[in-house]
Amino acid sequence: SAVISQKPSRDICQRGTSLTIQCQVDSQVTMMFWYRQQPGQSLTLIATANQGSEATYESGFVIDKFPISRPNLTFSTLTVSNMSPEDSSIYLCSVKALARTSGTDTQYFGPGTRLTVL
Amino acid sequence: DAKTTQPTSMDCAEGRAANLPCNHSTISGNEYVYWYRQIHSQGPQYIIHGLKNNETNEMASLIITEDRKSSTLILPHATLRDTAVYYCIVRPLYNFNKFYFGSGTKLNVKP
Repeated sequence: SAVISQKPSRDICQRGTSLTIQCQVDSQVTMMFWYRQQPGQSLTLIATANQGSEATYESGFVIDKFPISRPNLTFSTLTVSNMSPEDSSIYLCSVKALARTSGTDTQYFGPGTRLTVL
Repeated sequence: DAKTTQPTSMDCAEGRAANLPCNHSTISGNEYVYWYRQIHSQGPQYIIHGLKNNETNEMASLIITEDRKSSTLILPHATLRDTAVYYCIVRPLYNFNKFYFGSGTKLNVKP
């Protein structure tokens, strides 16, 4: 399993500004993921971030809007750039790790960052 | 990618078993069934996953039909803290970024 922390836990930002969200894992992991959860909606995958390579973005998400860094095997950042009220969401970091009981892979999630853009 | 269908919401009495169904009729042979839950305002919590055999851990049991077209997550003794949205997800074994969340089932555990 993996224990994940995110900073900040929440923030209120002005439109046009940028916010960088940090994700820290208690163990080394190869694959990290960033999700968005808009109000009242399910989770949507933004991108996959592997250490040592460029992030891979899902359809509808671009690097200029959501630049991602992955400097080592325990840390990643997601930046929400030039924010608008439509970016108000919960942003979640996730990692691939072995499930405790089965010995096969699953994803573990951080607590999320609740972003409100005014 | 295989899709899943879940009821929008379910009620369960505290102390009783909660049985949450999931339909995944287009599942292929190399796809696992995963269950997560999300308690309000928290990150999703991994519960259990399986391929074709029934699985049990300290949180729940997963029953997968023989044809693998549906599954049921069982919480044996539901408590008020089990009130959450439960997501059933089908994922290919070797394509790990294909982890798509549907709408899930809102389980309401009532006293």
